[in-house]
Amino acid sequence: AQKITQTQPGMFVQEKEAVTLDCTYDTSDQSYGLFWYKQPSSGEMIFLIYQGSYDEQNATEGRYSLNFQKARKSANLVISASQLGDSAMYFCAMREDNLFGNEKLTFGTGTRLTIIP
Amino acid sequence: DGGITQSPKYLFRKEGQNVTLSCEQNLNHDAMYWYRQDPGQGLRLIYYSQIVNDFQKGDIAEGYSVSREKKESFPLTVTSAQKNPTAFYLCATRRSGSIYEQYFGPGTRLTVT
Repeated sequence: AQKITQTQPGMFVQEKEAVTLDCTYDTSDQSYGLFWYKQPSSGEMIFLIYQGSYDEQNATEGRYSLNFQKARKSANLVISASQLGDSAMYFCAMREDNLFGNEKLTFGTGTRLTIIP
Repeated sequence: DGGITQSPKYLFRKEGQNVTLSCEQNLNHDAMYWYRQDPGQGLRLIYYSQIVNDFQKGDIAEGYSVSREKKESFPLTVTSAQKNPTAFYLCATRRSGSIYEQYFGPGTRLTVT
């Protein structure tokens, strides 16, 4: 089974509109972390936002917020007031914690976001 | 300035040759990682190292080898045993801290013909 599922291969959004990128995850661990990364056409992965499984508040970083619904195992990224520079691939990732100090991230297949002027 | 260096940006090799991709960091991060990305796909973990002289296999280690002789360096060798080596390779590091986000280098695009 996929551990991270991103069901939107591509999205087109008008500039200045808000956009939600979907991410669902699968884990049996109680302690885990969820990340969103942005990958522009240059290829580098840029860290955007993090949500810990025990965090009660949804994470926010500037125009980015993470809509964390633990019972539904979803961690959607919301970008407010989209800009042309937001056009990129976006990846959701999960870190699972265990007694052995698992340091691995598992990535979804990504969503290509295109902002239309 | 601090960061992660991967060189070269583009690398071309003939089939059957081993090739080594470099990854250097001056962030003083303990952990380093190698990922492979294929077109339209997410990242898959090849190898990772949490301390010098120690490393673990990731999900797709077959056909690859690594070493971690220095904290700053984590080179990846793509051997001739790797059946489909053409891909985009990303190196990452992780700082000790509370949320474990990984920082990524600019990547090396390897083409084997």
